[in-house]
Amino acid sequence: GAGVSQSPSNKVTEKGKDVELRCDPISGHTALYWYRQSLGQGLEFLIYFQGNSAPDKSGLPSDRFSAERTGGSVSTLTIQRTQQEDSAVYLCASTPGQGINQPQHFGDGTRLSIL
Amino acid sequence: EDQVTQSPEALRLQEGESSSLNCSYTVSGLRGLFWYRQDPGKGPEFLFTLYSAGEEKEKERLKATLTKKESFLHITAPKPEDSATYLCAVQPIGGGGNKLTFGTGTQLKVEL
Repeated sequence: GAGVSQSPSNKVTEKGKDVELRCDPISGHTALYWYRQSLGQGLEFLIYFQGNSAPDKSGLPSDRFSAERTGGSVSTLTIQRTQQEDSAVYLCASTPGQGINQPQHFGDGTRLSIL
Repeated sequence: EDQVTQSPEALRLQEGESSSLNCSYTVSGLRGLFWYRQDPGKGPEFLFTLYSAGEEKEKERLKATLTKKESFLHITAPKPEDSATYLCAVQPIGGGGNKLTFGTGTQLKVEL
């Protein structure tokens, strides 16, 4: 079956521009996660959505970062006024339920480069 | 604060040369420990979940074990196709318990 789909796979933009990254979770998965993977760093949690509950935004590094999930499916991560330190691979994952003791299934990420 | 430390950072093996990767963790309460494999340009691919000390899981040439402070990923008679970065992550019990805290990974290269 189809896995987690992310687009675009690569994005190059100039410092100060806004970017939108998209994630399509596995069909039927109610939980969705965003992580950031910087060079030489471990995956860093950003935000978690579960059904209709309020998202856990505790990992967002600044107010330039925001995310939404429409209709309980597709999610968009938006970075406003991008900075060079935002360059990283942004990974999305999903799980069928709340994610407790369930493996997270990852997409292949969006590689974001800020010039 | 939850912490995961993986060692070594990089490992080169000859085909057939068995070895182990280490994942040390600090967490207030462990709900689960996860191993993933990540190939270049790809997202992490799930391998194993371990829940309690003494537990072991196996898949082909890989075996994962868990103690109260660390986990090992044993690779028996590796092949070049086992070359990848292996990531360890923990899921804590309690508040914020759905997110994973990852280590920085062990980059494994298996040569002919």
